[in-house]
Amino acid sequence: EPEVTQTPSHQVTQMGQEVILRCVPISNHLYFYWYRQILGQKVEFLVSFYNNEISEKSEIFDDQFSVERPDGSNFTLKIRSTKLEDSAMYFCASTLHPGGNTGELFFGEGSRLTVL
Amino acid sequence: DQQVKQNSPSLSVQEGRISILNCDYTNSMFDYFLWYKKYPAEGPTFLISISSIKDKNEDGRFTVFLNKSAKHLSLHIVPSQPGDSAVYFCAASRIQGAQKLVFGQGTRLTINP
Repeated sequence: EPEVTQTPSHQVTQMGQEVILRCVPISNHLYFYWYRQILGQKVEFLVSFYNNEISEKSEIFDDQFSVERPDGSNFTLKIRSTKLEDSAMYFCASTLHPGGNTGELFFGEGSRLTVL
Repeated sequence: DQQVKQNSPSLSVQEGRISILNCDYTNSMFDYFLWYKKYPAEGPTFLISISSIKDKNEDGRFTVFLNKSAKHLSLHIVPSQPGDSAVYFCAASRIQGAQKLVFGQGTRLTINP
């Protein structure tokens, strides 16, 4: 069964460093997303991406964050200068068509980011 | 921002009995409601969804009920099995736009043998 894959599974970084989290969405999907979950809190929407541009972003997704689809398969989240509060599990998700039969997003297993 | 709320952080149910997980929402613009299941160190996995034009959707052991007037939905699992032990997230979205999901805080379900 096709799945969303994410790398790395865990990254430890120093505050102020740049981090890139990588995702390979399901191959025929067109809409891509990043969500995050701070430990013990709810899963929060960060950004959605379609047709090579951001469709929607949350207030969390400030100028320190950026997304890119550099080729036909990868979808990346970059945090330019990490802060302690960026420590979280970051989930990539994709879907063929939002609002489809089930409205389902397919999530990856997540990348845990620890900022020291 | 508490648009989707799951007021029970945990629930413990005997194997074979019914598990009922509850979810409330405040935004009347939501059109789709979904339940996701999450095991530790894994991403959320889709379980079942319901459109705002329906009040019930059933898939095997899982049934979701929607009460729009009360802005309340529930997930029923019957019979409950040990493998159902996980964190269950309620989520809601608007059909327009790019399918941003708003999640509840999650309910940890434990099925006891």
